[in-house]
Amino acid sequence: DAGITQSPRHKVTETGTPVTLRCHQTENHRYMYWYRQDPGHGLRLIHYSYGVKDTDKGEVSDGYSVSRSKTEDFLLTLESATSSQTSVYFCAISDLGTKSYEQYFGPGTRLTVT
Amino acid sequence: GENVEQHPSTLSVQEGDSAVIKCTYSDSASNYFPWYKQELGKGPQLIIDIRSNVGEKKDQRIAVTLNKTAKHFSLHITETQPEDSAVYFCAPSRNAGNMLTFGGGTRLMVKP
Repeated sequence: DAGITQSPRHKVTETGTPVTLRCHQTENHRYMYWYRQDPGHGLRLIHYSYGVKDTDKGEVSDGYSVSRSKTEDFLLTLESATSSQTSVYFCAISDLGTKSYEQYFGPGTRLTVT
Repeated sequence: GENVEQHPSTLSVQEGDSAVIKCTYSDSASNYFPWYKQELGKGPQLIIDIRSNVGEKKDQRIAVTLNKTAKHFSLHITETQPEDSAVYFCAPSRNAGNMLTFGGGTRLMVKP
């Protein structure tokens, strides 16, 4: 398995509180991604990063911000959590080299906003 | 943006039978076509992929076929086994693997 860890794995928080999820990789891959997974929607891209301090928006970026100060860490922040952000969040990494376009996924973080 | 649909949403087969899942996409510029398998409580894992210059690819019991003209690609699993039971996602991309757009998923159940 690719070396990807996510923390925390589970979190319950109240509406209006800030929340930060962390993704850590040991593969030295250039690209990192944050997705959310909700029933009936598959996975939807929130933000991605193509290098240290280089990030861009995905399909569902409203209400989320990201930061990447080191190659190995990609943080997802919900500035003021809402109930609609209750979801399972997955981090993924990729090297996007000529040999493989594979994205490797972490184990996920289950976030509940009450 | 890309519109991706998978059919069927659920599929139940007997062990040993074949299973086929179809993915239809809208972006004619898509050039990468992967299939991911997600087991309960885990993240998705790539099982097979194909690029736009290839029509078919096979890896043991799994194959993917691509019809770029009609904008669809399909996952074929032969001789299904109980461990094939999972949710399968297609995720076409126009950026050579970056910014995947996932379909809604197909739950495959293989009955022993």
